[in-house]
Amino acid sequence: GAGVSQSPSNKVTEKGKDVELRCDPISGHTALYWYRQSLGQGLEFLIYFQGNSAPDKSGLPSDRFSAERTGGSVSTLTIQRTQQEDSAVYLCASSQWTGSRETQYFGPGTRLLVL
Amino acid sequence: SQQGEEDPQALSIQEGENATMNCSYKTSINNLQWYRQNSGRGLVHLILIRSNEREKHSGRLRVTLDTSKKSSSLLITASRAADTASYFCATLPVNDYKLSFGAGTTVTVRA
Repeated sequence: GAGVSQSPSNKVTEKGKDVELRCDPISGHTALYWYRQSLGQGLEFLIYFQGNSAPDKSGLPSDRFSAERTGGSVSTLTIQRTQQEDSAVYLCASSQWTGSRETQYFGPGTRLLVL
Repeated sequence: SQQGEEDPQALSIQEGENATMNCSYKTSINNLQWYRQNSGRGLVHLILIRSNEREKHSGRLRVTLDTSKKSSSLLITASRAADTASYFCATLPVNDYKLSFGAGTTVTVRA
């Protein structure tokens, strides 16, 4: 079946604008994760969804970041009033069951550039 | 914060040679996973090794885990140009669900 998909692939925006990033997980996967990867760095955990609820939002870097998931499927990550330091690749992953004791499947990412 | 740290940061080898990279971590883990990333895009899961396992194989990949030293190694045998990528270890701490990634090892395989 289809893997995790993300859109857009690339996004260039001006400082101060809002952006929405979308993630379509693998069908039937309960858990969904958002990560951020800055240039040359490892992945930084942002938020985790179990179904539609987000029990852990501790990784969100500021209150400009928010995420939601509807229908236990699609998730959107919204960044308000973008700043240049928000430039990064935003990766989404899903796994079949709650928690990551098994494999997380990653999407191709959205490369965000804030000018 | 990143728990896993890969070593070396970068590795350049000739096609056909073996590539070895290491990962060290700080806290007790449930499992450790290795991922590959091409050109800064999505990650591909390579192998998962649980805390009660010491060695796993998958094709040309061999992973070892030493929980007493809190370290793991990934060996790629008979490397190919297509193995050129960044390799990340990710640890799942005990009683947690968040994977913690290291900064990665960039492997370049020269033809």
